[in-house]
Amino acid sequence: KQEVTQIPAALSVPEGENLVLNCSFTDSAIYNLQWFRQDPGKGLTSLLLIQSSQREQTSGRLNASLDKSSGRSTLYIAASQPGDSATYLCAVKGDNFNKFYFGSGTKLNVKP
Amino acid sequence: EPEVTQTPSHQVTQMGQEVILRCVPISNHLYFYWYRQILGQKVEFLVSFYNNEISEKSEIFDDQFSVERPDGSNFTLKIRSTKLEDSAMYFCASSEQYRATEAFFGQGTRLTVV
Repeated sequence: KQEVTQIPAALSVPEGENLVLNCSFTDSAIYNLQWFRQDPGKGLTSLLLIQSSQREQTSGRLNASLDKSSGRSTLYIAASQPGDSATYLCAVKGDNFNKFYFGSGTKLNVKP
Repeated sequence: EPEVTQTPSHQVTQMGQEVILRCVPISNHLYFYWYRQILGQKVEFLVSFYNNEISEKSEIFDDQFSVERPDGSNFTLKIRSTKLEDSAMYFCASSEQYRATEAFFGQGTRLTVV
């Protein structure tokens, strides 16, 4: 069964810092990986989708990379802002199924 | 921007009662899903639905659960006889294609069973 781990569980940084969130998965036979943002008590907002054949995807200040063979993805946030404070979830979709396995998330706090 | 809409945002029910959680997926999407998140735990898959039938379901999705697309826009999750452990945030999601495209999630329904 696919296991998805996110490190660190929580991160507090001053505004303006560049930061990296990590996601690892145990089964490298994935179809794609999606990063989400979750605000407290709210739904999941899709940030980036990266297909298994891709190495990275970019959207604004966000850049996601994927190293499928080593079972890792990173989400890079440039010039962090207080509005980036949220929990970031990584979700992996397997080769044979149309469902996501989620990590526990990284709770990010960006201090003004 | 199109979005997945869920109602109600919060539902409190007594143990043993039936609840129906409702979702309106994005209009041109063909694949629909329910996930749940128990407080403090990971988001976990419940069921996927395509062409008016269940395509995959998890071990959690037992006979107490059912899904339906009663008309062209709504997608519902029914829990027949709620238990305390059904208390969770339930998320509906939809995607345009089978696996390749982004999945879009609703804002969730918080179900509290008392």
